[in-house]
Amino acid sequence: DAKTTQPPSMDCAEGRAANLPCNHSTISGNEYVYWYRQIHSQGPQYIIHGLKNNETNEMASLIITEDRKSSTLILPHATLRDTAVYYCIVTTSGGGADGLTFGKGTHLIIQP
Amino acid sequence: GAGVSQTPSNKVTEKGKYVELRCDPISGHTALYWYRQSLGQGPEFLIYFQGTGAADDSGLPNDRFFAVRPEGSVSTLKIQRTERGDSAVYLCASSLKGGLEEYFGPGTRLTVT
Repeated sequence: DAKTTQPPSMDCAEGRAANLPCNHSTISGNEYVYWYRQIHSQGPQYIIHGLKNNETNEMASLIITEDRKSSTLILPHATLRDTAVYYCIVTTSGGGADGLTFGKGTHLIIQP
Repeated sequence: GAGVSQTPSNKVTEKGKYVELRCDPISGHTALYWYRQSLGQGPEFLIYFQGTGAADDSGLPNDRFFAVRPEGSVSTLKIQRTERGDSAVYLCASSLKGGLEEYFGPGTRLTVT
């Protein structure tokens, strides 16, 4: 699976959009971009995934650049409950034979 | 519906002892994963089951670690001769089938004294 690079931490004001970047410059054509988050003392939670088109669900939007070398997770109206570590993962599937390879993620802190 | 559950939530054991950690996946999920998470790190893959068989156990750190899933549902992670370095949160996840998004349990915090 391709390696990802994320900033270690970010702050965002409550009610504003939180934009979390991820660099995956070595991504290959059959690899998906997945985002999970982990709230303190809980297990990781699936957020969204995409291959090359932008995706949106009830939790977030995922914007993937045309060359697929980077992506941005957008939480449109951040709340205090969105404070968590966010992991960007590149994988040929959601897990499968290798499981998911987590990095250290971005610690997003929503400020009141 | 019920999510992935793990028991116990906390386990304290002495160095050299044997421990078992249990995972109850979401009903109907054929794929089950175990991960280990040390403080300040992301989860680290240990083993993947598809049904009853271990499809990939390449993440198990050594032969003191073993996992079973005899009926394709509940899984048990077994650690023999525990060491202080085994202290971590052990996470279980399941998915409808391999290759789809994973649903994680709350984890078992293992402390080896």
